[in-house]
Amino acid sequence: DTGVSQDPRHKITKRGQNVTFRCDPISEHNRLYWYRQTLGQGPEFLTYFQNEAQLEKSRLLSDRFSAERPKGSFSTLEIQRTEQGDSAMYLCASSLVTGNPEQYFGPGTRLTVT
Amino acid sequence: GQQVMQIPQYQHVQEGEDFTTYCNSSTTLSNIQWYKQRPGGHPVFLIQLVKSGEVKKQKRLTFQFGEAKKNSSLHITATQTTDVGTYFCAGPWDNAGNMLTFGGGTRLMVKP
Repeated sequence: DTGVSQDPRHKITKRGQNVTFRCDPISEHNRLYWYRQTLGQGPEFLTYFQNEAQLEKSRLLSDRFSAERPKGSFSTLEIQRTEQGDSAMYLCASSLVTGNPEQYFGPGTRLTVT
Repeated sequence: GQQVMQIPQYQHVQEGEDFTTYCNSSTTLSNIQWYKQRPGGHPVFLIQLVKSGEVKKQKRLTFQFGEAKKNSSLHITATQTTDVGTYFCAGPWDNAGNMLTFGGGTRLMVKP
């Protein structure tokens, strides 16, 4: 399968702990996006990379969140000092720079903060 | 900031009935995209509309972009159980069209 993959699929952590998620986009896609989705809501944009450059970050995003895409391939999303309100599905998507606007989503990482 | 709203939030239909979901943006959009998310799944791209008044069809699905490019609709004719899921519209809030604001979605349930 050459789709977008995410790891882990589920993460349970205690409040105050740090967590890191990984996303592997489709290999030829140079754009990568992170979204957060809570139950009954649409995906909420978090941040966006083109190759290794982080071009945009949501103004609503806490400083506890940081993302990297060091070599322009896989990306990591870290949440420091997790809070219960961080519990959500974290979705990664990738797309090509030109042409097809379609964003291909991964299966997501479900985070539960206890 | 830009807001994208969808109605209804939920819709129950009998198999074979038609279904429509409506999407409204607080700002004029350069384009609008539609995604479908099956229960337990991830969003899957359906289509993009770009032109004012554009209408596109995919088998039983008809997508429309309003003349003012601030609203859109998705109509499904003769629903089937395979249509079950949540349908999201999404509009870009940046000039390049990369960053999407998703609506809250319409969850479609189909009774066989």
